[in-house]
Amino acid sequence: EDKVVQSPLSLVVHEGDTVTLNCSYEVTNFRSLLWYKQEKKAPTFLFMLTSSGIEKKSGRLSSILDKKELFSILNITATQTGDSAVYLCAVWGGTSYGKLTFGQGTILTVHP
Amino acid sequence: DGGITQSPKYLFRKEGQNVTLSCEQNLNHDAMYWYRQDPGQGLRLIYYSQIVNDFQKGDIAEGYSVSREKKESFPLTVTSAQKNPTAFYLCASSMGNQETQYFGPGTRLLVL
Repeated sequence: EDKVVQSPLSLVVHEGDTVTLNCSYEVTNFRSLLWYKQEKKAPTFLFMLTSSGIEKKSGRLSSILDKKELFSILNITATQTGDSAVYLCAVWGGTSYGKLTFGQGTILTVHP
Repeated sequence: DGGITQSPKYLFRKEGQNVTLSCEQNLNHDAMYWYRQDPGQGLRLIYYSQIVNDFQKGDIAEGYSVSREKKESFPLTVTSAQKNPTAFYLCASSMGNQETQYFGPGTRLLVL
């Protein structure tokens, strides 16, 4: 059975701290890994990663994939209170159709 | 404005009642999806549709039904056979299979 595991499940930091969120996966026929940010409502897309070792960056957020060790990390530098959210990792894999399997999410709380 | 809309925002269901959640997109996406999100868990796939007039069961389809008569619309019916319907329901769409999925704002279903 395909599995995506995120750690930690929750994290509390202060503004200005740097955080690293982890996502490990076991899926058949891996195709890509996605990161989403969810603030109370719809998850919003952050990154899609398909190749190992290539960092994707957007402002203070960055992410990298390691296909050999089957994990990805999401880094957030100089955190702000607006970064408080649930961060979801999802992996495309599976057989003919391809299935997006989600991890349980990491709840990030940033205090002023 | 392009996007995905879901209605209603909150929905209350009585015992034995069928209720229908609406999902509309104007992104010209071919594929549409329904997920259920429970506290502390990742998103679980209920149904998906890759093209009009075709849809497939996801991991937790029992007690749910869908239709895809138009490209823009993918309504989900929660039937009385679904014994534990209280959850946050998210609709998503993507250009095609294994492309990035974009989410609607969600519907929270509560049982009276």
